[in-house]
Amino acid sequence: QSALTQPPSASGSPGQSVTISCTGTSSDVGAYNYVSWYQHHPGKAPKLMIYEVSTRPSGVPDRFSGSKSGNTASLTVSGLQAEDEADYYCSSYGGSNNFVFGTGTKVTVL
Amino acid sequence: QVQLVQSGAEVKKPGASVKVSCKASGYTFTSYGISWVRQAPGQGLEWMGWISVYNANTNYAQNLQGRVTMTTDTSTRTAYMELRSLRSDDTAVYYCARGPGSYASFDYWGPGTLVTVSS
Repeated sequence: QSALTQPPSASGSPGQSVTISCTGTSSDVGAYNYVSWYQHHPGKAPKLMIYEVSTRPSGVPDRFSGSKSGNTASLTVSGLQAEDEADYYCSSYGGSNNFVFGTGTKVTVL
Repeated sequence: QVQLVQSGAEVKKPGASVKVSCKASGYTFTSYGISWVRQAPGQGLEWMGWISVYNANTNYAQNLQGRVTMTTDTSTRTAYMELRSLRSDDTAVYYCARGPGSYASFDYWGPGTLVTVSS
């Protein structure tokens, strides 16, 4: 299964919004509402930010939101803050108990 | 609180095997699967597979089939990932994560274990 496609980088000034895309196929992202997003600060454990396309786990700020259209899912971070600077990865269920991650996007807060 | 504690860093020669452990606490161990994810230097996250702690069923990424084995010991609440016939491109940080659960996601992660493969 091929990795989901994400832009290598995205950036915004504090307070602005940034949207990251995650493009898969009709066999993974397009087939299931099981897209999740992870924030990864280098040297730390990844953190679940969104599951089932758009649901935030307890404790995740509502500045983080997710959506999906066809084979592409998106993560939007509104009101950017310095601590949002990190790598972000999407993941999707791909059927037959298999999962796939995205290529990752480095978010920079200018 | 949920915690996953992993074993320490390893240095292995090409062709050898490595076994990484992941000790869970703070939840009912048999109610969730354990997944393994790795990140090679400068690369993204790669899903390796998962094991159902409840019935020991496993599912491995196609590119690792035949080289990886995931097991659990419910008496010690520990999951294990063994990778054989190591190559230099297996050098990576290996993470265990709780899940996938009902929501097909990985909600708690271990701190990672660096495995270096070098002659």
